[in-house]
Amino acid sequence: ILNVEQSPQSLHVQEGDSTNFTCSFPSSNFYALHWYRWETAKSPEALFVMTLNGDEKKKGRISATLNTKEGYSYLYIKGSQPEDSATYLCAFNFGNEKLTFGTGTRLTIIP
Amino acid sequence: DGGITQSPKYLFRKEGQNVTLSCEQNLNHDAMYWYRQDPGQGLRLIYYSQIVNDFQKGDIAEGYSVSREKKESFPLTVTSAQKNPTAFYLCASRAPGSYNEQFFGPGTRLTVL
Repeated sequence: ILNVEQSPQSLHVQEGDSTNFTCSFPSSNFYALHWYRWETAKSPEALFVMTLNGDEKKKGRISATLNTKEGYSYLYIKGSQPEDSATYLCAFNFGNEKLTFGTGTRLTIIP
Repeated sequence: DGGITQSPKYLFRKEGQNVTLSCEQNLNHDAMYWYRQDPGQGLRLIYYSQIVNDFQKGDIAEGYSVSREKKESFPLTVTSAQKNPTAFYLCASRAPGSYNEQFFGPGTRLTVL
């Protein structure tokens, strides 16, 4: 079983501050890395699919980078808002039909 | 509206009883998945199906069974053989040609008393 690790496990951030967290994955046999946002009482929602080393993706105040050679991806949130409170999951795919998920980073924005 | 529905949202069962969790999708996706989430752990794959009438075991299939008789439906049965069935269960389907991007239902929380 592959190991996908996320850190930190949880994070409290003041509204308006920026933050980032990490997803580490096996650097061999890389195919794709997914980021999901999972708000309480809702379904996990896809944020980004990262496929190329050096990829940088952006959606509003949220962006992600990818380093496949060293096996990590960062998710950044600029100017945190209360609606950013959620668990952020990353999932690794090495080219088959399965995703391997990390344990998630639970982000709480303090008003 | 296209999406994935899971029912019920909360389910309570007595120990020793089998229980079936429903998952339906109208996204026309071929592949469907069942995951389990426990506190402090990532989503773990129970079973998946890439096409109607075919399914494969995931990482934690023991004590579970599935069927895939229709493209839209992928029910999961939690049997009495599952030693620790209380958990949150998520169903997903996969868009074709999307690097395995998956779309999730809202989940069912199963509590076995």
